[in-house]
Amino acid sequence: TQLLEQSPQFLSIQEGENLTVYCNSSSVFSSLQWYRQEPGEGPVLLVTVVTGGEVKKLKRLTFQFGDARKDSSLHITAAQPGDTGLYLCAGAPSGSARQLTFGSGTQLTVLP
Amino acid sequence: ETGVTQTPRHLVMGMTNKKSLKCEQHLGHNAMYWYKQSAKKPLELMFVYSLEERVENNSVPSRFSPECPNSSHLFLHLHTLQPEDSALYLCASSQDLEFTEAFFGQGTRLTVV
Repeated sequence: TQLLEQSPQFLSIQEGENLTVYCNSSSVFSSLQWYRQEPGEGPVLLVTVVTGGEVKKLKRLTFQFGDARKDSSLHITAAQPGDTGLYLCAGAPSGSARQLTFGSGTQLTVLP
Repeated sequence: ETGVTQTPRHLVMGMTNKKSLKCEQHLGHNAMYWYKQSAKKPLELMFVYSLEERVENNSVPSRFSPECPNSSHLFLHLHTLQPEDSALYLCASSQDLEFTEAFFGQGTRLTVV
């Protein structure tokens, strides 16, 4: 089983601050996804990264895939209360969804 | 609207009850999944279906029984559950098994009393 470790587990910040959450593994992944889950809802896909070193931006969110494709980070600039949620990373070692492994998530709270 | 719809959203059942969870996807996907999400634990993959055939069963107790009558619908039949089975049960779909991007339903919050 390929484990994905996310850090920090919990993060509480003020509106306007920047933050970074991390997703690390000792295994190589052919692709990695980031999801956001709000209370009472299912996870919603934010982005997929597939190339080592790849950087993708989604408005104030910047996602980076490590050069060795073993880790990823999510950076949020000027966080807003609407960014509050559980951020999950998920990776597929061989590229198949049947092997998608999820991290335990980072619970982000952005205070107004 | 995520394209994946789960019913019911909430379910409370006794340990001797039989109930079913339903999932329907409107995305034209060929693969569907059941996940279990418990507090402070990563999502656990329970079952995988591809073109209506089960391709993965991750050591799930027999009190959970999946059914996939067609590529748009997925059921999870529940019987004689235990309190520790209380969790959020999520259905997801992907274009096929070779695509890693999963689209999730809103989940069914199950409480076993």
